[in-house]
Amino acid sequence: GAGVSQSPSNKVTEKGKDVELRCDPISGHTALYWYRQSLGQGLEFLIYFQGNSAPDKSGLPSDRFSAERTGGSVSTLTIQRTQQEDSAVYLCASSLDPYSNQPQHFGDGTRLSIL
Amino acid sequence: GESVGLHLPTLSVQEGDNSIINCAYSNSASDYFIWYKQESGKGPQFIIDIRSNMDKRQGQRVTVLLNKTVKHLSLQIAATQPGDSAVYFCAEMPNGRRALTFGSGTRLQVQP
Repeated sequence: GAGVSQSPSNKVTEKGKDVELRCDPISGHTALYWYRQSLGQGLEFLIYFQGNSAPDKSGLPSDRFSAERTGGSVSTLTIQRTQQEDSAVYLCASSLDPYSNQPQHFGDGTRLSIL
Repeated sequence: GESVGLHLPTLSVQEGDNSIINCAYSNSASDYFIWYKQESGKGPQFIIDIRSNMDKRQGQRVTVLLNKTVKHLSLQIAATQPGDSAVYFCAEMPNGRRALTFGSGTRLQVQP
């Protein structure tokens, strides 16, 4: 499809397990972002990738969270030793050129539930 | 002010009326602003954006107004339709950063 694609759409796992969330950005978009949205809340920035530059990790809440972007396209967000407070919707966005103020376009997210 | 958890500010309008959704942003260094619409179970959908060198921008049925003096942003929706019912978020991008800072959202309910 033409939009940002995220998988899985839903993930239920036990506390302490590791999870991997995947994002396929819009083709040709050089910038990719991860955000988190807790129930009824606004979006919280996690991490940003732009081309081959070092990612901006300033929003990651703990060292249990990490992300990578391979080949400048697909990105994976990994949460190790999940905790119940990690339960949220994890949203990925991409944009064409972040340096010229282009809008970020979002996928429908992965709803993560930690039991 | 900020809303907490599920207690989003709610704007209820009649179908066909005009809607105005307001947002106070926090960073005077922000130079780019976006309005998003989010329906249940979906990701935020881009509606309209505006740069800080403008004070008004119009799209199809929507207008965004920016008042930098008081750090205020508004979204006007003309002839509101039931399909406009959703949560609306404003977002700002501080100059030099690429991450968006989101407001807490406003729920728009359109009564048929």
